[in-house]
Amino acid sequence: QKEVEQDPGPLSVPEGAIVSLNCTYSNSAFQYFMWYRQYSRKGPELLMYTYSSGNKEDGRFTAQVDKSSKYISLFIRDSQPSDSATYLCAMHRGANNLFFGTGTRLTVIP
Amino acid sequence: GAVVSQHPSWVICKSGTSVKIECRSLDFQATTMFWYRQFPKQSLMLMATSNEGSKATYEQGVEKDKFLINHASLTLSTLTVTSAHPEDSSFYICSAPDSGLSSYEQYFGPGTRLTVT
Repeated sequence: QKEVEQDPGPLSVPEGAIVSLNCTYSNSAFQYFMWYRQYSRKGPELLMYTYSSGNKEDGRFTAQVDKSSKYISLFIRDSQPSDSATYLCAMHRGANNLFFGTGTRLTVIP
Repeated sequence: GAVVSQHPSWVICKSGTSVKIECRSLDFQATTMFWYRQFPKQSLMLMATSNEGSKATYEQGVEKDKFLINHASLTLSTLTVTSAHPEDSSFYICSAPDSGLSSYEQYFGPGTRLTVT
């Protein structure tokens, strides 16, 4: 079993829709949770960073962590064509190396 | 946020030759840098952890004699792919946490696309 599971999609939504992206994990020691956005042929860009359980909001993005269920989510409100990218969840225990999900390819259709 | 650069962004080399990729933290110091490899439509796979002033730590299955890592300063790590073969063609990405922060945010470079012919 992989330590981090993420549905690879692809996911297509119309512009303006609410997007929900999710990851599950198996290691209860993970404490730091991140979401990265990666455009084609570019390096990942950090979108959201959360510690332990709870919600964090930044503009149209909301990150949610439920440690009891080992489940994290990223919500994108009022999705835009420019949001079309691959979204990667990542997490770690406090040591620096990250454990990544496989990434979900999102397309927002104008 | 902090900025990490990589050079070159794209390189083509012939089979059997060596290629060096540089990773620089531009506005912060990084005692640790990470090297990842990403094949098309797949996620990032950690290859090795680069530590300033000491030997790199390689992940299982990654040949340390083939992928030479040097972390000579707090802002520069290099990855040299020696005797490259077509199966080494991939997207190589480095990342670094800002050593001056107590958080664990990592910043990624833009990646280097290597094509071995």
